Amino acid sequence: DGGITQSPKYLFRKEGQNVTLSCEQNLNHDAMYWYRQDPGQGLRLIYYSQIVNDFQKGDIAEGYSVSREKKESFPLTVTSAQKNPTAFYLCASSINELHEQFFGPGTRLTVL
Amino acid sequence: RKEVEQDPGPFNVPEGATVAFNCTYSNSASQSFFWYRQDCRKEPKLLMSVYSSGNEDGRFTAQLNRASQYISLLIRDSKLSDSATYLCVVNSGNQFYFGTGTSLTVIP
Repeated sequence: DGGITQSPKYLFRKEGQNVTLSCEQNLNHDAMYWYRQDPGQGLRLIYYSQIVNDFQKGDIAEGYSVSREKKESFPLTVTSAQKNPTAFYLCASSINELHEQFFGPGTRLTVL
Repeated sequence: RKEVEQDPGPFNVPEGATVAFNCTYSNSASQSFFWYRQDCRKEPKLLMSVYSSGNEDGRFTAQLNRASQYISLLIRDSKLSDSATYLCVVNSGNQFYFGTGTSLTVIP
């Protein structure tokens, strides 16, 4: 089946630890995105990538890092520098920056 | 000023009712417009794209007004299964901007 997957679904982390969230797509999409969603708020863009080996900061990139070594994969690392990392993280992909986005099922990160 | 603004609701309507949501956007150069549906604790799913001439998909009608910079979603004959949060999304440049969502509950 074609689609976009994220793992794990739930993740618990201690303060001070880095953690990497996985995002994979087999839709042959060029563009990929990471968002976070907090309760009662809209989606906020962390990073996006329009092509392999290139990515851009979004509105709230501080404390996060990404890589795009393969077209199919866009992992997000939440570093210890991120002050409020507990949130719902959503990965999305699209054919290009003008077409609709498709989302993965998300990862709920809780920092203990 | 936010890129995209939506009335958060909540909208509580009886089954069979017609309900409309509006969304305004600030960038007149915005190029693509969408409505997404998000169920509780799930990812957003594309409901429909919004075209300049307006478009319909079954009970759902989307319209775009570029002069006034808003998009709308009309749901006719509401079903219990329509209960969800509806997000408007606007593409400007290389980024997608999401509204905070409008909550809809359809009551039996």
